[in-house]
Amino acid sequence: GAGVSQSPSNKVTEKGKDVELRCDPISGHTALYWYRQSLGQGLEFLIYFQGNSAPDKSGLPSDRFSAERTGGSVSTLTIQRTQQEDSAVYLCASSTDTDQPQHFGDGTRLSIL
Amino acid sequence: AQSVTQPDIHITVSEGASLELRCNYSYGATPYLFWYVQSPGQGLQLLLKYFSGDTLVQGIKGFEAEFKRSQSSFNLRKPSVHWSDAAEYFCAVLGDAGNMLTFGGGTRLMVKP
Repeated sequence: GAGVSQSPSNKVTEKGKDVELRCDPISGHTALYWYRQSLGQGLEFLIYFQGNSAPDKSGLPSDRFSAERTGGSVSTLTIQRTQQEDSAVYLCASSTDTDQPQHFGDGTRLSIL
Repeated sequence: AQSVTQPDIHITVSEGASLELRCNYSYGATPYLFWYVQSPGQGLQLLLKYFSGDTLVQGIKGFEAEFKRSQSSFNLRKPSVHWSDAAEYFCAVLGDAGNMLTFGGGTRLMVKP
């Protein structure tokens, strides 16, 4: 079946611009996660959604980062006023429940000029 | 808070040789542990997981891992490495709230012909 789909696969933007990254989880998966992968910091948790519960935003690095999940399915990660340190690969994952294996998309490579 | 250490940043093995990638974790309770593999430009693919029960778990692509509570380790093994196994390998533990994964820094595997 279809896996986790992320778009765009690559995004290049100028410092100070806003960007939106999209994630389509596996159908039927109620849990959705965003991670960031960068050279200096490795893989870091950003935010987690489970069903209709309030998201766990504990990993978001600043208030420039936000995410939403509409209809319990598609999620959008928004970064406002991008900075060069935001350059990274942003990975989305989904799972059938919180304690089940997470399945990852191929990520969005974000480059801030 | 939980943490994961992968002591080897790079490992090079000859094709056909055996492989062991080390992973040590820090976690208060019985951990849920995972190994993922990442090829260049790709997302993370789940190799195997440990939740409970038999401490030797089998995964895809001929990989296995052994959970040793006394050593806080979850090492990944393969009896005979193939050139296609060249990739980066990540060990991860599931957090207390059963949501976020905490990853090790990764081990990059290179395979010599």
